[in-house]
Amino acid sequence: DGGITQSPKYLFRKEGQNVTLSCEQNLNHDAMYWYRQDPGQGLRLIYYSQIVNDFQKGDIAEGYSVSREKKESFPLTVTSAQKNPTAFYLCASSIWLAGLTDTQYFGPGTRLTVL
Amino acid sequence: KNQVEQSPQSLIILEGKNCTLQCNYTVSPFSNLRWYKQDTGRGPVSLTIMTFSENTKSNGRYTATLDADTKQSSLHITASQLSDSASYICVVIPLPNTGNQFYFGTGTSLTVIP
Repeated sequence: DGGITQSPKYLFRKEGQNVTLSCEQNLNHDAMYWYRQDPGQGLRLIYYSQIVNDFQKGDIAEGYSVSREKKESFPLTVTSAQKNPTAFYLCASSIWLAGLTDTQYFGPGTRLTVL
Repeated sequence: KNQVEQSPQSLIILEGKNCTLQCNYTVSPFSNLRWYKQDTGRGPVSLTIMTFSENTKSNGRYTATLDADTKQSSLHITASQLSDSASYICVVIPLPNTGNQFYFGTGTSLTVIP
């Protein structure tokens, strides 16, 4: 898991609730990412950020929001607009040099379950 | 459409045996290809990274090969151990890359039994 942490490990959400997943890294990486992992599917990109105060939508951003106020932190909010949020969420970070990305380091993941 | 396909979907082998996992991709051109190991309920951990010009890369008992002509990569595990039980994910990064394009395979689930 390297120097990237996620919390909580398990999270339960009631219908209509917003929940926030934490992701922190001490690797001094510029780029950070949020992925969703469902059984039998490859990782799907939700949001990514290459610099502080800037982030971009990934392939499945609907129903999610992020912020990047600090280089070390990239929290993900799962809103009530996300109709099927039960999944395993992975945060990753990497060095970002213009046009090239280095190895992604992943956090341990957060398993979100809707009750 | 850029795709990464892995086979088999799942595999069960006896402890001590060797195995080979396959990754076929259509991403072209590409910057590098990576293999990750993901233990159940954990985040993926990088095993190997190969650029388009490399044919093989080893990491202990793990050896990855790459054939850029046929767009195939394989991960060979030698003398398997119980701790090798995990999902193995192939990832291809295309060229050019604006920083958000990572093509993930669906993974091969490996179970090593005593």
